[in-house]
Amino acid sequence: SQQGEEDPQALSIQEGENATMNCSYKTSINNLQWYRQNSGRGLVHLILIRSNEREKHSGRLRVTLDTSKKSSSLLITASRAADTASYFCATALYNQGGKLIFGQGTELSVKP
Amino acid sequence: GAGVSQSPSNKVTEKGKDVELRCDPISGHTALYWYRQSLGQGLEFLIYFQGNSAPDKSGLPSDRFSAERTGGSVSTLTIQRTQQEDSAVYLCASSVPSGQGYEQYFGPGTRLTVT
Repeated sequence: SQQGEEDPQALSIQEGENATMNCSYKTSINNLQWYRQNSGRGLVHLILIRSNEREKHSGRLRVTLDTSKKSSSLLITASRAADTASYFCATALYNQGGKLIFGQGTELSVKP
Repeated sequence: GAGVSQSPSNKVTEKGKDVELRCDPISGHTALYWYRQSLGQGLEFLIYFQGNSAPDKSGLPSDRFSAERTGGSVSTLTIQRTQQEDSAVYLCASSVPSGQGYEQYFGPGTRLTVT
């Protein structure tokens, strides 16, 4: 079964608004990563947060991690139409090498 | 430099046939992963190679699936006696040495359709 559960499954916002996506997981992790996918093909890595980190920023992206609640959130500020894509959280488990367990994803639509 | 490449980009095959999917990782990346993405199952881990260690095959769905990695570089995923439920996009990724805690670089995928 999937490790990560994401919500919402779909999100539609206007350009300039912020978008928040949430991810929950079940077992202890080494790190959690967020990826973006356009048009159902290759994934692009966005940001990695380690289990001992609580918050991380990269440009317009802000990721938080709460290991006590086993949850993470991805915030995209000042969204643009080009941010329209599917966003996936993925967890790397302890002693499992580098393999990732993906959530079901959030489909984000940013309307101009 | 070049990213992860996969071939073919699309493959249509008849049920019962064998298929081979190829992945060329980024040069110097010793960790290589295969995943598949389908509408019903989302993104699933299949197999993971790290250097000369035995691969982690825990995600392979059946013994019809196998993969090898030659010379620590190119990898081939083979599906024997394909079934319609094998239809999916097969994604390959690689990462820098150690593989633990590092971002993965994905190829564009191979879309497999079994008729």
